[in-house]
Amino acid sequence: EIVLTQSPATLSLSPGERATLSCRASQSVNTHLAWYQQKPGQAPKVLIYDASNRATGIPARFSGSGSGTDFTLTISSLEPEDFAVYYCRQRSDWPWTFGQGTKVEIK
Amino acid sequence: QVQLQESGPGLVKPSETLSLTCTVSGGSISPNYWSWIRQTPGKGLEWIGYIYYSGSTNYNPSLKSRVTISVDTSKNQFSLRLTSVTAADTAVYYCARFWGDYWGQGILVTVSS
Repeated sequence: EIVLTQSPATLSLSPGERATLSCRASQSVNTHLAWYQQKPGQAPKVLIYDASNRATGIPARFSGSGSGTDFTLTISSLEPEDFAVYYCRQRSDWPWTFGQGTKVEIK
Repeated sequence: QVQLQESGPGLVKPSETLSLTCTVSGGSISPNYWSWIRQTPGKGLEWIGYIYYSGSTNYNPSLKSRVTISVDTSKNQFSLRLTSVTAADTAVYYCARFWGDYWGQGILVTVSS
């Protein structure tokens, strides 16, 4: 099974700052990687699919990059509603797996 | 806009069978794939498996011996059965469309006597 390792575990930032989240795969997933945002009591919500494509309705401040084993989610300028937990997910190989999450918290 | 809603018991006894149903609205269950995913504080998010509207399935090897996913196209529903549950199966269970572009709100299932 492909293991996804996210870093850092926690990111403490202020509104308006740039957030850079990393996801590393134990083997190549090509570009079959998605990013999700989860807020307390809610289901994960897709932000980015196929490594760099924004899902419908997702603001342009969210961007994804990478291929193979190294991926990045960037939030260009944090809004108050962006403080949440973010997960990466691969669907290159079954079983599809998630990273353990990065919590973006208010500094 | 596709919407999904999980339903079923919130409490299941150890060794018994967990049964959940997901009702799809705002779109047809055909011709799509549909998934079950669960989330625990300890193991995080885990993909349980998925089913095609025609009935073909793919299960996570870690759960394969205990899982059955089925579909009822006439009711626009698909279902999850997990047998011989233990406390480790306590989780929030989500249904979702295939790779996870649409999700239900989730249902907490606790395994306890």
